[in-house]
Amino acid sequence: KAGVTQTPRYLIKTRGQQVTLSCSPISGHRSVSWYQQTPGQGLQFLFEYFSETQRNKGNFPGRFSGRQFSNSRSEMNVSTLELGDSALYLCASSWTHMGGGSTDTQYFGPGTRLTVL
Amino acid sequence: AQTVTQSQPEMSVQEAETVTLSCTYDTSESDYYLFWYKQPPSRQMILVIRQEAYKQQNATENRFSVNFQKAAKSFSLKISDSQLGDAAMYFCAYRRWEYGNKLVFGAGTILRVKS
Repeated sequence: KAGVTQTPRYLIKTRGQQVTLSCSPISGHRSVSWYQQTPGQGLQFLFEYFSETQRNKGNFPGRFSGRQFSNSRSEMNVSTLELGDSALYLCASSWTHMGGGSTDTQYFGPGTRLTVL
Repeated sequence: AQTVTQSQPEMSVQEAETVTLSCTYDTSESDYYLFWYKQPPSRQMILVIRQEAYKQQNATENRFSVNFQKAAKSFSLKISDSQLGDAAMYFCAYRRWEYGNKLVFGAGTILRVKS
């Protein structure tokens, strides 16, 4: 089975621009979560999507948004980029049953390194 | 809110020796999951081991084992017969039992392996 894939792997943007990152989960996985990793704040949860619905959200401003498509692929968008948004953005997928409970492990993609100049 | 604390920013171990990484967490819940993830220089997060809180038996995966002390809210990782490939950042993570996949991570411990 192919692992979680993220595109692009590297991205350079300037302040004020917006960016869209993509994540394709492992086949059969319907839950996709996004995390931001920075040297100062560590790993922080952004949001989780399950069956095209956001069901968990971290403490990030509204500039950070996401969506999930019917094939479980997910995108996250950051608008009006700030220098502090420079980070490694990690996506993780897991199998989750319809009841919403999750007993499975999250598997991570290689990440997208975003640099904001 | 749940928190995870890794008090060792950096650890070193000699090849073939054993090392233990510490993790404590704070939660008011009785059922939850705990994980150790490894992040090598490639930045790819790799699951090392997981533990369900309701299980009294400590999880083991080959050279990796945990010491789960529920009452003390402690979850340490023991790496036996350390190898050069074990050098990485190790993260301890907590997840609630039900509904949702939000992981709460500790700050991480850098493990250096000396040959």
